[in-house]
Amino acid sequence: AQSVTQPDARVTVSEGASLQLRCKYSYSGTPYLFWYVQYPRQGLQLLLKYYSGDPVVQGVNGFEAEFSKSNSSFHLRKASVHWSDSAVYFCVLRSNNYAQGLTFGLGTRVSVFP
Amino acid sequence: EAAVTQSPRNKVAVTGGKVTLSCNQTNNHNNMYWYRQDTGHGLRLIHYSYGAGSTEKGDIPDGYKASRPSQENFSLILELATPSQTSVYFCASGDNGGQNTLYFGAGTRLSVL
Repeated sequence: AQSVTQPDARVTVSEGASLQLRCKYSYSGTPYLFWYVQYPRQGLQLLLKYYSGDPVVQGVNGFEAEFSKSNSSFHLRKASVHWSDSAVYFCVLRSNNYAQGLTFGLGTRVSVFP
Repeated sequence: EAAVTQSPRNKVAVTGGKVTLSCNQTNNHNNMYWYRQDTGHGLRLIHYSYGAGSTEKGDIPDGYKASRPSQENFSLILELATPSQTSVYFCASGDNGGQNTLYFGAGTRLSVL
């Protein structure tokens, strides 16, 4: 069975500091991996995705993620956060049956303080 | 721009009542999904659809039905609502491409009293 683990439920960071959100996945094949962000009272929006190629992928708003097959990880990073980055971030794995949608981690709530 | 619209945004229902949550997408995507989001569980798949006329059970279908009368519309139906179905419900659409990026609606907050 496939799964996604986000070990940090909450992260607090100061504005201007760097951010790293951890994600570990379990999947026997070649993974499609995503990071989605959910702002308060909104639906989820795609930040970035990875399927193959360069293990470092760039996303929107200065986010990037690095895929590691050996570590089964897909960590998200941002060099300098802004208060508007306060949100819940979800690491997501595509299902074996893509029509079934995606397998979500539980999310990491990020709070950015001035 | 891709758009998924859910209605209503908020709903209060009584136990045993019937509730219908509606979703409309203008992305011309074949696949549509209903998820619920609960603290400690993340997003869980209730039903999904490959296209008009099709509905499939997801991971937690019990107590829910779905209807896909057209490419654009996908409804979630609670025939006999229970307090355990109090949650935030998200509809999403996705294409048939392998990467299957999903586009989400803004959510419906349902309270069953």
